[in-house]
Amino acid sequence: GDSVTQMEGPVTLSEEAFLTINCTYTATGYPSLFWYVQYPGEGLQLLLKATKADDKGSNKGFEATYRKETTSFHLEKGSVQVSDSAVYFCALSNNAGNNRKLIWGLGTSLAVNP
Amino acid sequence: KAGVTQTPRYLIKTRGQQVTLSCSPISGHRSVSWYQQTPGQGLQFLFEYFSETQRNKGNFPGRFSGRQFSNSRSEMNVSTLELGDSALYLCASSLVEGGTNNEQFFGPGTRLTVL
Repeated sequence: GDSVTQMEGPVTLSEEAFLTINCTYTATGYPSLFWYVQYPGEGLQLLLKATKADDKGSNKGFEATYRKETTSFHLEKGSVQVSDSAVYFCALSNNAGNNRKLIWGLGTSLAVNP
Repeated sequence: KAGVTQTPRYLIKTRGQQVTLSCSPISGHRSVSWYQQTPGQGLQFLFEYFSETQRNKGNFPGRFSGRQFSNSRSEMNVSTLELGDSALYLCASSLVEGGTNNEQFFGPGTRLTVL
């Protein structure tokens, strides 16, 4: 079945460092890909998404490019801030057949130190 | 516009009891999905409701059930609680069915502890 694999955390960075969180997926057909973020004590928020190959999603300085050839959707940010400390989830949805639910990675915890 | 609200925020129950969790979606949203979040298993899809009908179901035992009312509010019920049911239960709403290419908006969750 469909699946999402994220790099394990926790990831600890200093402010202004470059961030990459790896995400790869397995799916039939042409899934849509998402990154969600969960700040401490809050629900998940959609950070960015891409619905077809080579699309780049971006928001709040974060970017991810849908790479079908490598089945990847890595999250990047050029200069992280303390306020980016959160748990990041990669997810996919696949409209193949009736499977419309989101499939999630296990999440990657990010801690940014001042 | 109010966000997704979930009640209660915290619950403590004992094994064998049952529990009902409530979710009020964003006004105008007709789809409600439920997820279980645990440290070991991550986020797992429970079910989705749209227009009072269950549209999609994850791989959970029959002890987990849900329903949606005509005002789109949804409840989920877990009967005969087990220790492993301890988790954060998240509700998400979206405008239309499927919540796939349509953004899902999450509530803060209900933290259930089973003793």
